[in-house]
Amino acid sequence: KAGVTQTPRYLIKTRGQQVTLSCSPISGHRSVSWYQQTPGQGLQFLFEYFSETQRNKGNFPGRFSGRQFSNSRSEMNVSTLELGDSALYLCASSPDGELFFGEGSRLTVL
Amino acid sequence: SQQGEEDPQALSIQEGENATMNCSYKTSINNLQWYRQNSGRGLVHLILIRSNEREKHSGRLRVTLDTSKKSSSLLITASRAADTASYFCGGGSNYKLTFGKGTLLTVNP
Repeated sequence: KAGVTQTPRYLIKTRGQQVTLSCSPISGHRSVSWYQQTPGQGLQFLFEYFSETQRNKGNFPGRFSGRQFSNSRSEMNVSTLELGDSALYLCASSPDGELFFGEGSRLTVL
Repeated sequence: SQQGEEDPQALSIQEGENATMNCSYKTSINNLQWYRQNSGRGLVHLILIRSNEREKHSGRLRVTLDTSKKSSSLLITASRAADTASYFCGGGSNYKLTFGKGTLLTVNP
C-alpha cells in the first residue's frame, strides 16, 4: 500500500508570495491533517479534514487555509508568505485516529 | 501550549543499552501516540496507546500510560545505531494531536 505522498518536497518562495502544498493520503483513509514543524515551535496542528469538511482547526492566522477533495486528496495554501512561515509542513492521513505521516514539504521563505 | 512534553530533551547511549523517554501531557486524551523522526524527514508511527490501556508492546518497544499522572514512557530495549532519531509523543482526541518538542536519541555504535 502506498504511503502518504506530499508534493513538492522542497520549495523556495519570497515574502508576500503564496504557496500551495499537496497531499495524497493512504488509500481508504478519509481523514487528512496538516502540521507545521519549526525548530522553535515544534510540531503544531494546522487543520484536519474529513470527507471534504474541516473538522478541527489549530491556532493559525487566516493566511493558512486548506481543502479536501472528494478523492480525499488535500491541499493547503499559505498566502502573503512571511519569513516565519519557513518550516516543514507535514501531512498525515488516518483511518481511525492513528496518524500516518508523509515526508513533508520543506518551505523556505526568503 | 505543549500537550506532550518529552523528557529528556537529549539522550546518548551505547548500542545494546535500553533507552527510556518520558512524556507528560496537560489535558485529557483519547489516546497517546509515539513517533520517530529521522533528521528532517516525516514522522514514523511507532505505537498508539489508548486512554484505557496501561501498557503496550511492539517488538523492542514498550509504552506505558499513567492517566492519573498524565504521563507516558517509551522504552526501547537493546538499542541499535539505527534507532538514532528524534522521538515525539502526541496526545489528543478526534484526530488532532498536540506534540512535544521531542527527545533526540543518539545510539553510539
